[in-house]
Order: sequence, then structure tokens, then C-alpha cells
Amino acid sequence: SQKIEQNSEALNIQEGKTATLTCNYTNYSPAYLQWYRQDPGRGPVFLLLIRENEKEKRKERLKVTFDTTLKQSLFHITASQPADSATYLCALEGVGSGGYQKVTFGTGTKLQVIP
Amino acid sequence: DSGVTQTPKHLITATGQRVTLRCSPRSGDLSVYWYQQSLDQGLQFLIQYYNGEERAKGNILERFSAQQFPDLHSELNLSSLELGDSALYFCASSATSGGNNEQFFGPGTRLTVL
Repeated sequence: SQKIEQNSEALNIQEGKTATLTCNYTNYSPAYLQWYRQDPGRGPVFLLLIRENEKEKRKERLKVTFDTTLKQSLFHITASQPADSATYLCALEGVGSGGYQKVTFGTGTKLQVIP
Repeated sequence: DSGVTQTPKHLITATGQRVTLRCSPRSGDLSVYWYQQSLDQGLQFLIQYYNGEERAKGNILERFSAQQFPDLHSELNLSSLELGDSALYFCASSATSGGNNEQFFGPGTRLTVL
């Protein structure tokens, strides 16, 4: 069955360090993979989208890699700040009912940046 | 502000009741998605509509139903409510359909079933 795995344990990191979050998937062949940020009680906010033919994508302090052989995406936040503390979700598409593409979210990893 | 609106913000009701949650997508977006998020749980995909038609279905209970109207707003109907239905319900919209579209999420409706 299709599965998206993100580390369910919270990641605690010192301010200024690079945070690395992992998204592994099985039985998907996604053409796209997305990362979102969610703060408590609020809706997720889109951060980055990476295509299967892109190995790496950057946006300011954020970097995403996408390895379709390993079936893994890594999400990096460099020079992390306490304001980066949130839950980070990966999302990827698979075939849903009726043959249409469906985007599924992972359960997310909670990041805590310690001052 | 994502441009997606959801009403009401909060809803408190009793078991066995029926409620309707409403979502207005961003201007121009054709796809609407509904998600359920229970306390400290992940986002559970319920259903997606695209331009008025059901496009994908997740683990949506038979007691739940949804529709997207010609003006593209959507409603999620929850009936015979149980305590376990208490959750945050998010609506999201995207320009079209598929994984190459970022989703814009609304602020959510917090449902409490007593």
C-alpha cells in the first residue's frame, strides 16, 4: 500500500544550525513533491514544490532535495531561527479513486528551534 | 491571508446532530479539498472537487458528504455526529487539479461534538 513517512518524533535544534527533515515514501511514483509548514491551530502554508526531474530546489534559507531512486525528499532550513518552529509536512501525488491524481500529506515532523 | 474563507470558525454541537461547513475558494481556483485534523493528528484527506465534480475521495465516512456548487464554493455536511468527529476541518483550494498545484488552506472550522 502507499505510504508516506515522516519522523514523528520532534526535532530539536539549536538556533543558527541547519535543520534537516526527511520524507520517505513507498508505492508512489510522484511527478511532484511539496513541502508545507503548519503552525498549531492553523492551516498549512505552502513552501516549496519540486519536480521529479529536479534534484534540488532552493528558496531563501530553504532547500529541498528529491531522490526518486531512494524515494526520499530532504528538507533543509539553514541558519534556523526560533520563528521556524512549526510542523513541516511533505505532500505528494498518487493515483486516487477514479484514476485522477490525488495529493496526500505526510503526518509531519515538529521542529523546535531552541534559542 | 490565503484567500480561502471558511465558516463558521467554531461549531459546538451534540452527538447525533448534523452540521454544514462552508468553504469559499480563492478567486479563480477550480479545485476544492476537504481535510480533517484531529488533535495532534495528521491531515486526513476527505474529498476533492474540481469545477463542480468529485475528483478524488479519501477516507470519508458515509455519514459525511460534500458538494461544490456552480459558484465554486463548497459545503461539507456531517451527520449523525459522534464524539470522535470533533476535529479541525480544513478546506483548501488550488488553481486546477493534481500535484503540481500548491494548495491554499483556509483557517479551518473547529468542530466540537459534546
